[in-house]
Amino acid sequence: VTLLEQNPRWRLVPRGQAVNLRCILKNSQYPWMSWYQQDLQKQLQWLFTLRSPGDKEVKSLPGADYLATRVTDTELRLQVANMSQGRTLYCTCSGRDRGDERLFFGHGTKLSVL
Amino acid sequence: GDQVEQSPSALSLHEGTDSALRCNFTTTMRSVQWFRQNSRGSLISLFYLASGTKENGRLKSAFDSKERRYSTLHIRDAQLEDSGTYFCAAEANTGGADRLTFGKGTQLIIQP
Repeated sequence: VTLLEQNPRWRLVPRGQAVNLRCILKNSQYPWMSWYQQDLQKQLQWLFTLRSPGDKEVKSLPGADYLATRVTDTELRLQVANMSQGRTLYCTCSGRDRGDERLFFGHGTKLSVL
Repeated sequence: GDQVEQSPSALSLHEGTDSALRCNFTTTMRSVQWFRQNSRGSLISLFYLASGTKENGRLKSAFDSKERRYSTLHIRDAQLEDSGTYFCAAEANTGGADRLTFGKGTQLIIQP
């Protein structure tokens, strides 16, 4: 059973253009939602964890700037700007409120720079 | 430097053999998780350990409960479907449960 819905699986991003990603939580038992990036060398890196609607954070990493927003209990968004290198963004969830600290991943959205 | 050191970086095995993957942590960690990534990029949760060992079919994982500075993943009787990239990820004592630090991965190829 899929816990997270991430679409599309792949996006081509013109250089200099921002892209907006969405992640939908399909099971409210796992409300802790996060974003991770995987670079072209396959290194996975935590970006944000946003628990409550209205939570918002920004971060700049080599090759991209990020703005993450927890829109509702079921929707997490990520704006990726100034991307100079391709990467894959994964949405994750966990149920640590209930003592389930396993991390579950969405299918990811692979971003390529045009 | 890297907090999570994973070895080996790549491994090629024949079906039916056993293998062990390892992660060393440069500092004490609260918990460890293991994942497998397939060729399409999907990451599957294999184990979560706060201590001790867990077993699931042909997979077994251990987290050093005393020093909390290494973890292992054993694969018994390797099958073709075990191929993929295996990642360990650890939670530091101060990071928060969803903030995991990942190793660089072990690319595992199982040959007939």
